[in-house]
Amino acid sequence: GQQLNQSPQSMFIQEGEDVSMNCTSSSIFNTWLWYKQDPGEGPVLLIALYKAGELTSNGRLTAQFGITRKDSFLNISASIPSDVGIYFCAGRKSNTGKLIFGQGTTLQVKP
Amino acid sequence: GAGVSQSPRYKVAKRGQDVALRCDPISGHVSLFWYQQALGQGPEFLTYFQNEAQLDKSGLPSDRFFAERPEGSVSTLKIQRTQQEDSAVYLCASSLLAGAYNEQFFGPGTRLTVL
Repeated sequence: GQQLNQSPQSMFIQEGEDVSMNCTSSSIFNTWLWYKQDPGEGPVLLIALYKAGELTSNGRLTAQFGITRKDSFLNISASIPSDVGIYFCAGRKSNTGKLIFGQGTTLQVKP
Repeated sequence: GAGVSQSPRYKVAKRGQDVALRCDPISGHVSLFWYQQALGQGPEFLTYFQNEAQLDKSGLPSDRFFAERPEGSVSTLKIQRTQQEDSAVYLCASSLLAGAYNEQFFGPGTRLTVL
C-alpha cells in the first residue's frame, strides 16, 4: 500500500541534542499528523497540522506543514530519555479520515 | 473506559484457522478505523466505519478479511483461513467524527501470529 517517505529511518543521539525528521510525498495532503508509538502500544498523536505553511509547537516539539502540501517536518529540542520511541508521520487527503503513514523514525537517546 | 480497547492483545493461530479481533471505541465516537501494522512498518489502512455503515473497505487485502460494526459501537475484524502473511499488529482507532479536526485515537493493538 501507499506509504509516505520518512527519514531518517533511525537516529541515535545524546541527551540534550535536538532532533529533526521529515516526511515527503508525491501527492498533496490536506492534513499532516505526527504520532509517537511506544513498544506494545498504539500510536499517540503529538501534533496535527491543517494548513499549508502552518508551524505548530507542543512543548519541545515543533512541526511544520510544507508550503507545497507534500511534506512536513518534526523537530524535538533538548531531547530527554523518555523521547525514545518510533515517530510516524501521517497524511490525510479527504474528509473520510483515512490516514496514510510513513515507515517511521526510531529514536534512541543516550543519557 | 477512557480510551480505545482491543482484545485479545495477543493471538496465535495455526495457518488455516479463523480469528476474530474485537475493538471497543471511545464511547460516542462515530468513526472507527482498522489498520494493519507489519513488523517495522507504519500502519496501513484497512477499513472505515461511520456508525454501523462500512464506508470504505478499500484496504482489506483479500476477501478473507471481513469487518463489521452492527450497532455502531463495538467492531470485529474477522480473518478467515489465516495465512502466515497475515501476521501483524491490528490497530483500531476511533474519532468523534471523520475528517479535519477530528483526530483518531488508537487502541493498543492485537498482535496476531500465524504459525
